[in-house]
Amino acid sequence: AQSVTQLGSHVSVSEGALVLLRCNYSSSVPPYLFWYVQYPNQGLQLLLKYTSAATLVKGINGFEAEFKKSETSFHLTKPSAHMSDAAEYFCAVSDVGGTSYGKLTFGQGTILTVHP
Amino acid sequence: NAGVMQNPRHLVRRRGQEARLRCSPMKGHSHVYWYRQLPEEGLKFMVYLQKENIIDESGMPKERFSAEFPKEGPSILRIQQVVRGDSAAYFCASSSQGLPYEQYFGPGTRLTVT
Repeated sequence: AQSVTQLGSHVSVSEGALVLLRCNYSSSVPPYLFWYVQYPNQGLQLLLKYTSAATLVKGINGFEAEFKKSETSFHLTKPSAHMSDAAEYFCAVSDVGGTSYGKLTFGQGTILTVHP
Repeated sequence: NAGVMQNPRHLVRRRGQEARLRCSPMKGHSHVYWYRQLPEEGLKFMVYLQKENIIDESGMPKERFSAEFPKEGPSILRIQQVVRGDSAAYFCASSSQGLPYEQYFGPGTRLTVT
């Protein structure tokens, strides 16, 4: 069974500071991994995805994530936070190699607060 | 290119009524997924459908919930005899055929049961 753990339900940073959101996964087969962002009262927007190609994945809005198999991690980073980055972020795993047909298992989410 | 569309955006039902949530996938997408977001529980998979077929309903409650994706028209998530515990945000996502089944989400329907 797949699972995702996001360390830290709330992360607070200053504008211009490094953003680091942590995600660890468990999967019985090579996973596909995703980061989504959700703004209040909206749906989820795909930030980036890992699909067994390059381990360092670049996404939209200056975010990137690195897949580390040895650590079963897929942490999300951004060098310099902007006020508009304040939102909730979800890490998700898709066990596409199995029989789940791509259904996503989500972490509990991390609320990012950016203060001036 | 329109994204995933869901309606209504907000739905209020009294206990015991039926709720019907609609989802129109992105153009060219043939896979539809429904997820539920409950307070304090996060996002959970409910059901995965292709046209006229339910492929995986392992996340659906056994009673009162059903889903369909007809040959023509939107996918429907139906909740019969709603209870307060059904109050949640329901999200639909769609993807095209082929790996990695990258999913695009709609804005959600927020169901409130009074």
